[in-house]
Amino acid sequence: DARVTQTPRHKVTEMGQEVTMRCQPILGHNTVFWYRQTMMQGLELLAYFRNRAPLDDSGMPKDRFSAEMPDATLATLKIQPSEPRDSAVYFCASGPPGQYNSPLHFGNGTRLTVT
Amino acid sequence: AQKVTQAQTEISVVEKEDVTLDCVYETRDTTYYLFWYKQPPSGELVFLIRRNSFDEQNEISGRYSWNFQKSTSSFNFTITASQVVDSAVYFCALSVEWGYQKVTFGTGTKLQVIP
Repeated sequence: DARVTQTPRHKVTEMGQEVTMRCQPILGHNTVFWYRQTMMQGLELLAYFRNRAPLDDSGMPKDRFSAEMPDATLATLKIQPSEPRDSAVYFCASGPPGQYNSPLHFGNGTRLTVT
Repeated sequence: AQKVTQAQTEISVVEKEDVTLDCVYETRDTTYYLFWYKQPPSGELVFLIRRNSFDEQNEISGRYSWNFQKSTSSFNFTITASQVVDSAVYFCALSVEWGYQKVTFGTGTKLQVIP
């Protein structure tokens, strides 16, 4: 059963440190999404890619967040420097090509705590 | 822009009761897709169902049923004879035809089924 894999599952870091979260989409999927979940804001879309090209990253704080897809099997989300308000669960999701009505497949998330 | 509203923040029911989770959506697109996802306490997001905007037929899957009404822009989810395992946060979500699978989520409804 193909799955989206996210690492690490948990990350505790101090304010000011760099955080890198990784995602391996399902093989063959060409759209990749990063969502952030907090109690206050719910599920927010941060950025998404299609065929490795960024389509929209308007949901991301540009000064500290960056998202990339170095290759088709890896997506990264970096925060530098991290702040306590970045504490959240970050989900990666992927979708198959050409199927606009397909449900997204989510990873198990990275729970980030910034102290 | 798309919007999904789940007015019920939390619902508690006693096991075996029926419960309906409400979802109201907004979009100007004529072709769109509606989804329900389940997030159990373990944290992963599990896809439950998808409906296309041109298919208003209601659907039943075991104890789950979905009522899609375009006239009221609603896509409600009913669990019949609820069980403790149904305890989770349920998200209603929307994507549009040319949105490259970009999904807009509601804020979720936390369902607690009490034994």
